[in-house]
Amino acid sequence: ILNVEQSPQSLHVQEGDSTNFTCSFPSSNFYALHWYRWETAKSPEALFVMTLNGDEKKKGRISATLNTKEGYSYLYIKGSQPEDSATYLCAYSGYALNFGKGTSLLVTP
Amino acid sequence: DADVTQTPRNRITKTGKRIMLECSQTKGHDRMYWYRQDPGLGLQLIYYSFDVKDINKGEISDGYSVSRQAQAKFSLSLESAIPNQTALYFCATSDGQGEEPQHFGDGTRLSIL
Repeated sequence: ILNVEQSPQSLHVQEGDSTNFTCSFPSSNFYALHWYRWETAKSPEALFVMTLNGDEKKKGRISATLNTKEGYSYLYIKGSQPEDSATYLCAYSGYALNFGKGTSLLVTP
Repeated sequence: DADVTQTPRNRITKTGKRIMLECSQTKGHDRMYWYRQDPGLGLQLIYYSFDVKDINKGEISDGYSVSRQAQAKFSLSLESAIPNQTALYFCATSDGQGEEPQHFGDGTRLSIL
């Protein structure tokens, strides 16, 4: 079992704030790092899959960076909106995905 | 229609009963997975299958079994359900290696009394 740690566990921000969370993972035998967004009562949806050290990916106001040498990835949300409220999961890819416990984000107006 | 369909969506049953959760997909993916999610924990892998003839145990397979009836169907069984198997169960699919995203069903909420 590969240990994937996410911090913080939960986060509460005001609309318009920018925020970021961290995912740390084993740096040896790296294959891929996934980010998913999971809204309450829905299924997790893929945001990004990152494979290369230094990768940076962006989708609208959400972006992610990857450092495979030190074993961490950051997810950034610029100008948070209430609809960004969700749990954000990262997962390290070995033979299957190993998920962290997620960061629960609440954005209030 | 959803690409990954799980049935039932909710189930309440008693200890000792046999339960089957079903998953079907229209994405044409070879790889299918079963996860469970408990409050405060991440998604934990129960079983996975890379094609019809391939079944592999995940990190928490005890008390569960699976059947890959076809490329599109992957069922999870609890032979004799116990209360600590109460959880939210997800099926997922992916196309190829770990650099491809997984696609999840809507989940089955299972309660065992």
